[in-house]
Amino acid sequence: GAVVSQHPSRVICKSGTSVKIECRSLDFQATTMFWYRQFPKQSLMLMATSNEGSKATYEQGVEKDKFLINHASLTLSTLTVTSAHPEDSSFYICSALTSKNEQFFGPGTRLTVL
Amino acid sequence: QKEVEQDPGPLSVPEGAIVSLNCTYSNSAFQYFMWYRQYSRKGPELLMYTYSSGNKEDGRFTAQVDKSSKYISLFIRDSQPSDSATYLCAMITEAAGNKLTFGGGTRVLVKP
Repeated sequence: GAVVSQHPSRVICKSGTSVKIECRSLDFQATTMFWYRQFPKQSLMLMATSNEGSKATYEQGVEKDKFLINHASLTLSTLTVTSAHPEDSSFYICSALTSKNEQFFGPGTRLTVL
Repeated sequence: QKEVEQDPGPLSVPEGAIVSLNCTYSNSAFQYFMWYRQYSRKGPELLMYTYSSGNKEDGRFTAQVDKSSKYISLFIRDSQPSDSATYLCAMITEAAGNKLTFGGGTRVLVKP
C-alpha cells in the first residue's frame, strides 16, 4: 500500500507553545488529507479535511484558530496546535486520499503538553 | 443510533482459529468499505478495500460486503498472535467528501 509519514512521532512541549506536525504522502500525490485525534481506547475523531491549495474544512466543534492546517503541496499537509494546553494532549493522526479513494494513515504523533 | 455499528469485543480466539468480524450500517449511500488494523499507539493500517457486494480475498483476509443487508464482514484465517489488534471498519461516500465513517472498533486477542 501507499506510504504516509508523520513527523515528529512524539513531542513534549510546555503549555502556551505552538507545535507543528507534518504529514507527507511519500509515493503518491494527495489533493486531500485528513487530520484526526484519538484518545486512549477510543476511535478516531475527524478534526478537519485538508485540501491542497485551499482552506481546510473543520468539523463541528474544532477551533480553526487553534488547529491551523496548511496543505501547501500535493505531498505535504501540516497541523499546528497553537498555544497548546494540557487538554490538547492526544494522539494526532493524518491520512491521505489516493486517486482510487483509498485512505492511508500515517503512524501518528503523540503530543504531550506539560 | 450510530451510522456504523461494530461490536467492541474483546474477541479472544486460539492461534490458528478463524477470526470473524462484522459491521452493520444504516446509510445506504455508503459506496466504499474498508477494514483497518490498528496496533496500540500506531496509525491504522489499511487491510481491505471494497466497493461492491461480494467477496474479496487477499492472503489470509477475506472481506464480504452485502449491500442489501447493509452488512460487511472480515475473516482472518489461520490467526496468529501478531493479529492481536483493534480492527476498524470504515465506509465512505464521495458525496460526503470521502470522509471516513468508522465503526467503534473490535479488539481482537489471538492466544498462542
